[in-house]
Amino acid sequence: QPVLTQSPSVSAAPGQTVSISCSGNSSNVGNYHVSWYQQFPGTAPKLLIYDDYKRPSGIPDRFSGSKSGTSATLDITGLQNGDEAEYYCGTWDSDLSVGLFGGGTQLTVL
Amino acid sequence: QVQLAQSGAEMKKPGSSVKVSCKASGGSFSRYAFSWVRQAPGQGLEWVGRIVPVFGTTHYAQRMQGRVNIIADEFTSTVYMELSSLQSEDTAVYFCARSGMTTVTHEHWGQGTLVTVSS
Repeated sequence: QPVLTQSPSVSAAPGQTVSISCSGNSSNVGNYHVSWYQQFPGTAPKLLIYDDYKRPSGIPDRFSGSKSGTSATLDITGLQNGDEAEYYCGTWDSDLSVGLFGGGTQLTVL
Repeated sequence: QVQLAQSGAEMKKPGSSVKVSCKASGGSFSRYAFSWVRQAPGQGLEWVGRIVPVFGTTHYAQRMQGRVNIIADEFTSTVYMELSSLQSEDTAVYFCARSGMTTVTHEHWGQGTLVTVSS
């Protein structure tokens, strides 16, 4: 049972903007940096955002992250068909001393 | 460049054990931490555990505590995950991932190893 809560699905048309949220508590999202991962079927996840808002080299600035309190958000602007994938947030929990992932959000580009 | 090369698919009987390897190349092995993450068919990502090889420290998911063991061989830059008392619910793709020693950002991922548990 994921401790980080994500909406199961989100959809939008090409060119539009979507926001994917990740909700936790004070011992995880509220206390540690959040990362975001993109996963296509049959492949390994790929790091999109780390330390709440930073982008690894090669990740377009259409992808951005933010965090406020115990919630983090991934925004994707200028949606493209190739963005259709599963998106996961991840962090650490200081009370449990375990890593955590959200349940994932399936992005559909209409 | 960084590569995490995992061992091949495994087919196991319920009650048995499996050991999956992850050989790292590119970068100093002892400067990083390695995690195992699994994904059951059609399901999300589940964190299994983590090791910091230079300290030998490990952390494990509570639901798998006592059944999972992660070790690192610094001489061969290889991390191993052993899972015992396998049940059908352990059928999943197991990924290894590398992060910084003090972070839990999984920067690099292996290709995944399918472990199938079936009688």
